[in-house]
Amino acid sequence: AQSVAQPEDQVNVAEGNPLTVKCTYSVSGNPYLFWYVQYPNRGLQFLLKYITGDNLVKGSYGFEAEFNKSQTSFHLKKPSALVSDSALYFCAVRDTSGGSYIPTFGRGTSLIVHP
Amino acid sequence: NAGVTQTPKFQVLKTGQSMTLQCAQDMNHNSMYWYRQDPGMGLRLIYYSASEGTTDKGEVPNGYNVSRLNKREFSLRLESAAPSQTSVYFCASSPGTGGSYEQYFGPGTRLTVT
Repeated sequence: AQSVAQPEDQVNVAEGNPLTVKCTYSVSGNPYLFWYVQYPNRGLQFLLKYITGDNLVKGSYGFEAEFNKSQTSFHLKKPSALVSDSALYFCAVRDTSGGSYIPTFGRGTSLIVHP
Repeated sequence: NAGVTQTPKFQVLKTGQSMTLQCAQDMNHNSMYWYRQDPGMGLRLIYYSASEGTTDKGEVPNGYNVSRLNKREFSLRLESAAPSQTSVYFCASSPGTGGSYEQYFGPGTRLTVT
C-alpha cells in the first residue's frame, strides 16, 4: 500500500528566508513523487515531480525538492520565500510496484509567508 | 486551451435533491478523476475513468455516480444529496493513469447541502 504524510499543518516563514515543506512517504517498491500548490479558491497546480535520476528536482516558481530514499522523504524547498508563495501545498505519491496506479495525496500544508 | 473546466462554480442543494457536476478537458487526455476536498482531509478520490468507456470507484464512492460521456467529458452525479456531501469538488485529468503523469485540475465546484 502507498501512503504519504505531511507532518506540519502549517508552516510560517518570513519573506526572504528559506522555506521547507515536509513530506514523507511509504511504498512497497519505488516511488513517483509529486508536489502541487493550491492558491485560495483555485484548483491544484503541478509544481514538480521525482521519477528517477537526480535526487534534487527543480520545478516551477523557483521551487525544488530533494528525494531522500533512506529517509523516505521528499521535502519541498525554496531558497528565498515570497509573500505570493503563501498557499496550500500537497505532496502525492504513487508506488511503481503494482497496486493502485492512482496517486495518494497528503492532507496538505498551509504555507504562510510574512512580509 | 482552457484546460479543465467545471460547472457550476457554486451550488446550494437541499437534502434529498439531485444534481450533476460537469467536467470537460481539451487536452486530449485519456484519464479523468473526481476528488472531494474537505478541511484537514486533503483530497479524496471519488471515482476515476482510466480511459473512455471505463469508470472505477475510488476511496469514497458512496452516494455518487459518474458518467464518462466521451473522451472530453466526465460528470459526477449526486442522486440524493446529504449534508455530508458538503465539500469542494475537483475534476482532474492526465494523459493516462499510472506512470509518471501529473494531473491537471479544474477550478472546483463548491457545494453546500442544507
